[in-house]
Amino acid sequence: KAGVTQTPRYLIKTRGQQVTLSCSPISGHRSVSWYQQTPGQGLQFLFEYFSETQRNKGNFPGRFSGRQFSNSRSEMNVSTLELGDSALYLCASSASANTGELFFGEGSRLTVL
Amino acid sequence: LAKTTQPISMDSYEGQEVNITCSHNNIATNDYITWYQQFPSQGPRFIIQGYKTKVTNEVASLFIPADRKSSTLSLPRVSLSDTAVYYCLVAVRNAGNMLTFGGGTRLMVKP
Repeated sequence: KAGVTQTPRYLIKTRGQQVTLSCSPISGHRSVSWYQQTPGQGLQFLFEYFSETQRNKGNFPGRFSGRQFSNSRSEMNVSTLELGDSALYLCASSASANTGELFFGEGSRLTVL
Repeated sequence: LAKTTQPISMDSYEGQEVNITCSHNNIATNDYITWYQQFPSQGPRFIIQGYKTKVTNEVASLFIPADRKSSTLSLPRVSLSDTAVYYCLVAVRNAGNMLTFGGGTRLMVKP
């Protein structure tokens, strides 16, 4: 059974640009959540989707957005990039919503110059 | 919303038992507690999950006291390969709450 796949694994952007990250969950999993990981802030919850609906959202500005498709694949977008957006963005899937048993991808490492 | 607090780092030696405690004040009645292990350049990996009392699987035990304001991850007989960062996570059942990770505990296992 394939795990959670995130693309791209690494990317470099400049301030002001926008970026879209993709996440393919484990087959059959309907819940996808996104996290930002930085050395200073640890793992910060961004948002969670279940059956194409955003169920929860963390304390991030509106520049951070996401969506989930009917096949449960998810994308997150960050617009008007800032230097502080440099981080590892992790996606996790789970079989149901509101469960801590998450299966993480290896992440997309974003560097903003 | 529960807040989770963990020690920043711990050192141990091969073969010892390691206990990492996480404090989660104001945990809601329906919150589970979940622990993850993370190696550099990898996503966190699920270790164990519990709601109350004690849970044990093939790699760890999780102890949760009656008041559920803390939990302790117990790793028996650690090896060098257990060197990693360990996170506790308070999961919630109710819609509208967000998942909250602790700050992570960096475990260093020495030979």
